[in-house]
Amino acid sequence: NAGVTQTPKFQVLKTGQSMTLQCAQDMNHEYMSWYRQDPGMGLRLIHYSVGAGITDQGEVPNGYNVSRSTTEDFPLRLLSAAPSQTSVYFCASSTPTGGNIQYFGAGTRLSVL
Amino acid sequence: EDQVTQSPEALRLQEGESSSLNCSYTVSGLRGLFWYRQDPGKGPEFLFTLYSAGEEKEKERLKATLTKKESFLHITAPKPEDSATYLCAVQALSGGTSYGKLTFGQGTILTVHP
Repeated sequence: NAGVTQTPKFQVLKTGQSMTLQCAQDMNHEYMSWYRQDPGMGLRLIHYSVGAGITDQGEVPNGYNVSRSTTEDFPLRLLSAAPSQTSVYFCASSTPTGGNIQYFGAGTRLSVL
Repeated sequence: EDQVTQSPEALRLQEGESSSLNCSYTVSGLRGLFWYRQDPGKGPEFLFTLYSAGEEKEKERLKATLTKKESFLHITAPKPEDSATYLCAVQALSGGTSYGKLTFGQGTILTVHP
């Protein structure tokens, strides 16, 4: 049981490049979320999903796209990377039957030059 | 808008010196208040959920308490391995698709010296 797996762990991009951060969970959780963590600002919600085919925006969605075609996977896409997107990104999953406790992956550290 | 403020931003303790971390919150209706621990380079790790004022939960040297406006994380006789960032988050009462959302505070960096 791996929990929540994020890939890659580190990534360096140039301004304007695109990439996809991968997130997979093996706990059959309905809910999945993407957060970014910046120094002194805690974790901020980017996008979330309550089930396959259903996504919604969080606090800071601009510049990011998501889709959820399966229960297990919830990729985050950066269409045209900007230096302001330099951050650590965390994916989390939860289920209402488990007290909705969110379980986090190890994170992806992204630098945009 | 839900808001969470944690204090202090950083706390340095000697081993065995007990103290408390504070989490003040405003939320339209509280579904749950969560405490997480985060070690450098890792994702947050769940510690506690509190649901109603007056509730308390304990785990080893940690005890979390909840009032209608704030939560405290009490650390009794801390050890160096308790050094980490402690995060507080709230989940609001609201139906539909917002059920999974957490609003986090900025965290308290705890350092325990031997």
